[in-house]
Amino acid sequence: AQSVAQPEDQVNVAEGNPLTVKCTYSVSGNPYLFWYVQYPNRGLQFLLKYITGDNLVKGSYGFEAEFNKSQTSFHLKKPSALVSDSALYFCAVRAPMTTDSWGKFQFGAGTQVVVTP
Amino acid sequence: NAGVTQTPKFQVLKTGQSMTLQCAQDMNHNSMYWYRQDPGMGLRLIYYSASEGTTDKGEVPNGYNVSRLNKREFSLRLESAAPSQTSVYFCASSERLAGGPSTDTQYFGPGTRLTVL
Repeated sequence: AQSVAQPEDQVNVAEGNPLTVKCTYSVSGNPYLFWYVQYPNRGLQFLLKYITGDNLVKGSYGFEAEFNKSQTSFHLKKPSALVSDSALYFCAVRAPMTTDSWGKFQFGAGTQVVVTP
Repeated sequence: NAGVTQTPKFQVLKTGQSMTLQCAQDMNHNSMYWYRQDPGMGLRLIYYSASEGTTDKGEVPNGYNVSRLNKREFSLRLESAAPSQTSVYFCASSERLAGGPSTDTQYFGPGTRLTVL
C-alpha cells in the first residue's frame, strides 16, 4: 500500500526567507510524486511532479522539489517566499501503472504555509 | 476552456435527503475522480472512473454512488445523507495517455461545500 506523510501541520516563514515543506512517501516500485497548492475556498492547483530523470524538479511560481530515493522524500522548496505563497500545500504519490493501485492518488494531510511580511 | 466545473458550489441537506453532485470537464480527459476533503485528513478518494464506462471504489465509498454519464461528466450521488458526509467535495480529471506510462496529473474543480444537518 502506498502512503504519504507531511510531518508539519504548519510552516511559518518571513517573506524573503527560504521556504521548505516536507514530504515523505512509501510506495512499491518507482513513485510518481506531485505537489499541489490550495488557496482559500479554491480547488487544488498543480505545482510540479516527479516521474523520472533529474532529481530536482522545477515547477510553477518559482517552486522546486527534490526527489531523494534513499530518504523516500520529496520536499518542496522556494528560495525566497512571498506573502502570496500563504496557502495549503499537499504532497501526493501514485504508484506506477503496473500495480493494482492504478488511478489512486494518495494525498498527504496538507501543510499550511504562513508567510509574514 | 473552463477546465473542471462542479455544481452546486454550496448545499445544505437534512439527514436522509438525497442529492447529486455534478462534475464536467472539457479537457477530453479519460479519467475522473471524486474526493472529499476534511480538516487534517487531506483528500480521500471516494470513487474514480479510469475511462468512460468504468467506475471503481476508492478509499471511502460507503454512502455514495457514482455515474460516468459520458466522457465529460461524472456525478456523485448521496442516496441518504448523513452528518458524517458534511465535507468539501472535489472532482478531478486526468489524461491517461495511450502507448506509454501516464503521469496522470490531476486537475481539480473548485469544490462543493456540503453541510448535512
